[in-house]
Amino acid sequence: DTEVTQTPKHLVMGMTNKKSLKCEQHMGHRAMYWYKQKAKKPPELMFVYSYEKLSINESVPSRFSPECPNSSLLNLHLHALQPEDSALYLCASSPKTDRGNEQFFGPGTRLTVL
Amino acid sequence: DAKTTQPTSMDCAEGRAANLPCNHSTISGNEYVYWYRQIHSQGPQYIIHGLKNNETNEMASLIITEDRKSSTLILPHATLRDTAVYYCIVRSHMEYGNKLVFGAGTILRVKS
Repeated sequence: DTEVTQTPKHLVMGMTNKKSLKCEQHMGHRAMYWYKQKAKKPPELMFVYSYEKLSINESVPSRFSPECPNSSLLNLHLHALQPEDSALYLCASSPKTDRGNEQFFGPGTRLTVL
Repeated sequence: DAKTTQPTSMDCAEGRAANLPCNHSTISGNEYVYWYRQIHSQGPQYIIHGLKNNETNEMASLIITEDRKSSTLILPHATLRDTAVYYCIVRSHMEYGNKLVFGAGTILRVKS
């Protein structure tokens, strides 16, 4: 298995809802990432998990809560989001090699907050 | 990580080589040059990376100048499916799990 999968592909939620995005990889990668991408903009890093521990939080609001239950899974829990949080949410993972650690991205979850 | 500068957009004829430039004049000695691309509505895709030597793989070639202040990504025979945003990123990979900082990238349009 050489891909990163993300579910759901699309999500519409109200501002009072609680939902979760899921990301999975079975490539044995021990670093996993969440990025947010607004329309016509480049991806922006939100969180990095390294060996199942949160290593980077790019000052993301607490209404986004990441979780890494094991080395293959990464979740992003969403609560009380705002319409401006509507975006494509991308998950990525990377292997540890001597030649660097290129990131493998999933297809993303397109989130709409009403 | 050093900043990069890329043209906003470029056009290329199908079947011809696409040469995408990137300036990174403040690159430091331990920083690598990475290229990713993002086809519309998909996640970014890793293409290639290098430190100072030229690199080639099945997708592309990366030419880095001797002073390392600029580089060029070459797609040798561009197809319509190569139409995408191409991102040049400079980063150190001293630390596992460090971040990618995407700039605005170059929109490459391959035309028939």
